Amino acid sequence: KAGVTQTPRYLIKTRGQQVTLSCSPISGHRSVSWYQQTPGQGLQFLFEYFSETQRNKGNFPGRFSGRQFSNSRSEMNVSTLELGDSALYLCASSPQNEYEQYFGPGTRLTVT
Amino acid sequence: EDQVTQSPEALRLQEGESSSLNCSYTVSGLRGLFWYRQDPGKGPEFLFTLYSAGEEKEKERLKATLTKKESFLHITAPKPEDSATYLCAVGEGGYALNFGKGTSLLVTP
Repeated sequence: KAGVTQTPRYLIKTRGQQVTLSCSPISGHRSVSWYQQTPGQGLQFLFEYFSETQRNKGNFPGRFSGRQFSNSRSEMNVSTLELGDSALYLCASSPQNEYEQYFGPGTRLTVT
Repeated sequence: EDQVTQSPEALRLQEGESSSLNCSYTVSGLRGLFWYRQDPGKGPEFLFTLYSAGEEKEKERLKATLTKKESFLHITAPKPEDSATYLCAVGEGGYALNFGKGTSLLVTP
């Protein structure tokens, strides 16, 4: 099976802009989670989607949002980018109602 | 609040020198303890899931064990290709994983 794919792999944006990141889960996986990874904070949970519904959300401001489509593909959006949003954004997928998650390669976002 | 603490932060081993990485956790109702390996610039690679105290899992030179308060990742006779950051995480409510900061392992020839 193909793994989790994320696009784009690298992105450079300017403060105040918005960005959309995309994730395609492993075939058959219906749960998609998003994480932010920074050197200082490590991996932090953003949100989780299942069957197009957000089931859980981490402690991030409302500028961070996401959605899931009927084919389980997911997107996350960050509006009004700040310098501190520079990070590796990781998407993970899992089968229905399981905690074991498989990660994609990530999108490296740099905000200047 | 649930917490996951990994130690040491960094570890340097010579090839063949066995050692253990520690992951201690406080969580109300463990929904799984997960180990991942992460290489620079890549996403975490799944290694093991442990669910109950006393459980053990093995894969090549790696063995993960679990007690009620901590998990160990034992590395036997490591090779340079085992160099990576090893992350542990616990399952929280709502299918979120709470990660520790990781142990950066360097194995020298």
